[in-house]
Amino acid sequence: DTAVSQTPKYLVTQMGNDKSIKCEQNLGHDTMYWYKQDSKKFLKIMFSYNNKELIINETVPNRFSPKSPDKAHLNLHINSLELGDSAVYFCASSQDRLTEAFFGQGTRLTVV
Amino acid sequence: GDSVTQMEGPVTLSEEAFLTINCTYTATGYPSLFWYVQYPGEGLQLLLKATKADDKGSNKGFEATYRKETTSFHLEKGSVQVSDSAVYFCALGLTGGGNKLTFGTGTQLKVEL
Repeated sequence: DTAVSQTPKYLVTQMGNDKSIKCEQNLGHDTMYWYKQDSKKFLKIMFSYNNKELIINETVPNRFSPKSPDKAHLNLHINSLELGDSAVYFCASSQDRLTEAFFGQGTRLTVV
Repeated sequence: GDSVTQMEGPVTLSEEAFLTINCTYTATGYPSLFWYVQYPGEGLQLLLKATKADDKGSNKGFEATYRKETTSFHLEKGSVQVSDSAVYFCALGLTGGGNKLTFGTGTQLKVEL
């Protein structure tokens, strides 16, 4: 009964490939997020969705495309992967912007 | 814009030492403030929060008080344990500007025997 689950946990792929990361939350939250954590542990928001609608897109290359089929799911598709995309990607959800966010375990993406 | 500034790590302490991790923020509204903890290889977990000025958040022996006059939310613990070794993130959430948390850069804490 994991609250926020994302798959896969590890992803190793070659430059130029296209990959997807899936995220699901069973908390009934309205808002879901994708964050990127770099090698120095710095966390930066990429996208925020509220009830399946895109709310935030923080200057992320358009190779990254989030998709929210329903408010419990927010998937991240990445086209033409680059070395610099290597990072840990976290999905999160919250009821609203003032309450705490619940995070998934992260997906460690390594582009070789 | 909104931002959070944390003290740089790593911070290395002996077990039972007193811990302070400084956090200050800049925000145009009235944010909620959070401390998250990330244990090695795991996602972030909420440690504590405060939603208005002078509130004190506390959990697992950690405390932080929302100080509007100094725009600070410093994390403290009276006696750290080896199991507290982790990365600690200060964050703020605002009513405007979309739904997001703004995080500090994180402070790595290492507690030794």
